[in-house]
Amino acid sequence: AQTVTQSQPEMSVQEAETVTLSCTYDTSESDYYLFWYKQPPSRQMILVIRQEAYKQQNATENRFSVNFQKAAKSFSLKISDSQLGDAAMYFCACLQGGSEKLVFGKGMKLTVNP
Amino acid sequence: DTAVSQTPKYLVTQMGNDKSIKCEQNLGHDTMYWYKQDSKKFLKIMFSYNNKELIINETVPNRFSPKSPDKAHLNLHINSLELGDSAVYFCASSRRVAGELFFGEGSRLTVL
Repeated sequence: AQTVTQSQPEMSVQEAETVTLSCTYDTSESDYYLFWYKQPPSRQMILVIRQEAYKQQNATENRFSVNFQKAAKSFSLKISDSQLGDAAMYFCACLQGGSEKLVFGKGMKLTVNP
Repeated sequence: DTAVSQTPKYLVTQMGNDKSIKCEQNLGHDTMYWYKQDSKKFLKIMFSYNNKELIINETVPNRFSPKSPDKAHLNLHINSLELGDSAVYFCASSRRVAGELFFGEGSRLTVL
């Protein structure tokens, strides 16, 4: 079974600055996928970014990028030019290939200060 | 147009009651899920259905019974509610792109 660990429960960043959210995972499979989801105060979970384990290139979506270190089983999310609307809970998640069971970390609350 | 909609969004009830939460998705997805988010924000999968067939049942008490009348709907019925059932319940759906879930807004259940 896979596990996902987010060791920082909370972080804060100044508007327009860059912040990195950390995540480590463990899985016995070689085929897996990693995700970052965002949950703003409105409560709805939104997919931020996705990374396939077989891809060496780090995924990027506009101001969001990941640093995928496969050997270290690390999957951090970098948010550039932070905006007030980025304030939310961020969840790292892992899915083993062929499975429908997405396993989430405990989440991290990001505060963006104006 | 709401992609994944859940009703009700808020539910307050007494211990021992039975309640249902409904979920509908208009995305044409084959797979639907129920997730539970506890008071510490921890999200855990409860059930998954693919084309009306149960594919994941994650050691959930049998007081919880999911029902999928068709692939666009996945309802959750809870019998004999307990205090520990208080949580936010999220419905989600996905295409066959692994792990890309579309979530509903959640249904906050409070058991008194």
